Amino acid sequence: DAGVIQSPRHEVTEMGQEVTLRCKPISGHDYLFWYRQTMMRGLELLIYFNNNVPIDDSGMPEDRFSAKMPNASFSTLKIQPSEPRDSAVYFCASSLIRAGSASGRHPQETQYFGPGTRLLVL
Amino acid sequence: AQTVTQSQPEMSVQEAETVTLSCTYDTSESNYYLFWYKQPPSRQMILVIRQEAYKQQNATENRFSVNFQKAAKSFSLKISDSQLGDTAMYFCAFREYSGAGSYQLTFGKGTKLSVIP
Repeated sequence: DAGVIQSPRHEVTEMGQEVTLRCKPISGHDYLFWYRQTMMRGLELLIYFNNNVPIDDSGMPEDRFSAKMPNASFSTLKIQPSEPRDSAVYFCASSLIRAGSASGRHPQETQYFGPGTRLLVL
Repeated sequence: AQTVTQSQPEMSVQEAETVTLSCTYDTSESNYYLFWYKQPPSRQMILVIRQEAYKQQNATENRFSVNFQKAAKSFSLKISDSQLGDTAMYFCAFREYSGAGSYQLTFGKGTKLSVIP
């Protein structure tokens, strides 16, 4: 099985530019999470989706951040306009939480993380 | 709100020795999940081990095992026969079992483990 896929792996941009981060969850997973990791704040949840529907976006720092999940295999996190304080590693994770895991290869309740996108805003 | 505390910001261990990383948490829930994730320098978050609170038996994965003390709200990770590849940040994480859809992970601040040759 391919794990969670994120792109790009690294992004350097200038303040004021739009940044789009992409995520492909593990096939069959019904939950998708976006996290941000910084030295100051550690790992913090930004937003998560269930069956493509946003459930909790209380962690999204401000209106400059938006996330979408148009289908079960793709999600984006967009920052517009970007600021230097947005520099961080952004992780996407997916999980299967509904009862019964068809394959048994992915234990329920476990979130599997992508490799992260390292964002630097100059 | 749940909190997760890792009181050891940094630790070191000699190769082939055993080391224990501490984690405590605070919750009013009776059912929940606990996890240890490893983050090597590559920044990838890798699941090390998981524990369901309703299970009394401590989870074990090869050289990794946990000491889960539910009453004390303690969830320590023991790494036996430490290897150089174990050098990483280790994060303890908590998740509610169910409830009003709060499936997010709450992470501790992490413990930086260095394995010394």
